[in-house]
Order: sequence, then C-alpha cells, then structure tokens
Amino acid sequence: AQSVTQLGSHVSVSEGALVLLRCNYSSSVPPYLFWYVQYPNQGLQLLLKYTSAATLVKGINGFEAEFKKSETSFHLTKPSAHMSDAAEYFCAVSAFDSSYKLIFGSGTRLLVRP
Amino acid sequence: GAGVSQSPSNKVTEKGKDVELRCDPISGHTALYWYRQSLGQGLEFLIYFQGNSAPDKSGLPSDRFSAERTGGSVSTLTIQRTQQEDSAVYLCASSLRTSGARYNEQFFGPGTRLTVL
Repeated sequence: AQSVTQLGSHVSVSEGALVLLRCNYSSSVPPYLFWYVQYPNQGLQLLLKYTSAATLVKGINGFEAEFKKSETSFHLTKPSAHMSDAAEYFCAVSAFDSSYKLIFGSGTRLLVRP
Repeated sequence: GAGVSQSPSNKVTEKGKDVELRCDPISGHTALYWYRQSLGQGLEFLIYFQGNSAPDKSGLPSDRFSAERTGGSVSTLTIQRTQQEDSAVYLCASSLRTSGARYNEQFFGPGTRLTVL
C-alpha cells in the first residue's frame, strides 16, 4: 500500500523567511508525487509534481521540492515566504493501480506572519 | 468551460434527506474523480470514472452513496438518507488519460460544502 505522511499540521513563518513543508512517502514501487495548494474556500491547485525525470522539481509561485529516495522524502521549500502563500498544502502520491487516484497526506496549514 | 465546476457551492440539508451534487469536468477529460474533505478524515478518495464506467468505487463509505456519469461528461454524486457524519466538502477532479496517465495532473473543482443538520 502507498501512503504519505506530512509532519506538522501547522507551520508558521515570518514574511521573507524560508518555507519548509515536510512530506514522507511509503511506496513499494517508484512513486509519482504531487504537491497541491488549497486557498480558503477554493479547490486544490497543483504546485508541482515528481515524475522521475529530475529529483529537483520546480513549481509555480517560487516553490520547489526535492525527491530523496534514501530518505523517502519529498519536502516542499520556498526561499522567501510571502503573505499570499498562506494556505493549506497537501502532499499526495498517485496510486499504483489503474485508477491513478491520489492518496493525500493530512495537510499542512502555512501561516505567514508580517 | 475553463475549469472544473461544481454545483451547488453550498448545500444545507436535514438528516435523512437525499442530496445530489453535480460535477462538470473539463471538456475532453475522460477521467473523473470524487474526493471528500472532512475535518476528521482529511482528503479521501470516493470514486473514479473512466468514461461512463466506474472501475473503482472502493472509497464510497456506505451503500447510501452512489454516483453516475453520463455522456462521458457530467457526474452526479448522490447521498441518500444523509447523516451528520456526511457533512464535508465534496471535491471533484478531472484528468486526461494519456500514456503517462499516472502522473497526469488532476484538476479540481471548488467543491460543494455539505452541511447535514
């Protein structure tokens, strides 16, 4: 079975500080991993995805994530937080069956302090 | 349309009533998913459609939940005899099916917030 664990239900950073949101996966096959962002009262928007082409993946809004097989991690980072980054972030793995449904972590709410 | 749309955006109902939630996927997307987002359970998969058939219904929590898709487009999720634990945001997503389908992006709608009193 595949699963994703996000450490920290809430992360608070100051504006301009580094953002680090943690995601660890469990998968018996090479995983396909995603980060989605959800702004209040909106659906999910894809930030970036790992598809084995490159271990460092760049996404929208200045976010990037690095796939580390040895650590089974896919942490999301951004060098400098903006107030507009305040949202909930979900890490997900694509199921290894014909549905390709997404299996989500529990989410991390990012708070950005002025 | 430009994206996935869902209706209604909010639905308040009384316990025991039936509700229907609608999803209009992006035109041309053959794959359609329903997920549920609730405080206690996070984001959970409910059902997957490929065209009009549903090869994976493994996430439906009980037989009170059903879904259909017609014309390879619009989908309706029906909850019969609603219970308070059904209160959640129901999200629909659609996706292309290409050779690299396992990592094709799923595009999400804004969701329907269901409140069962």
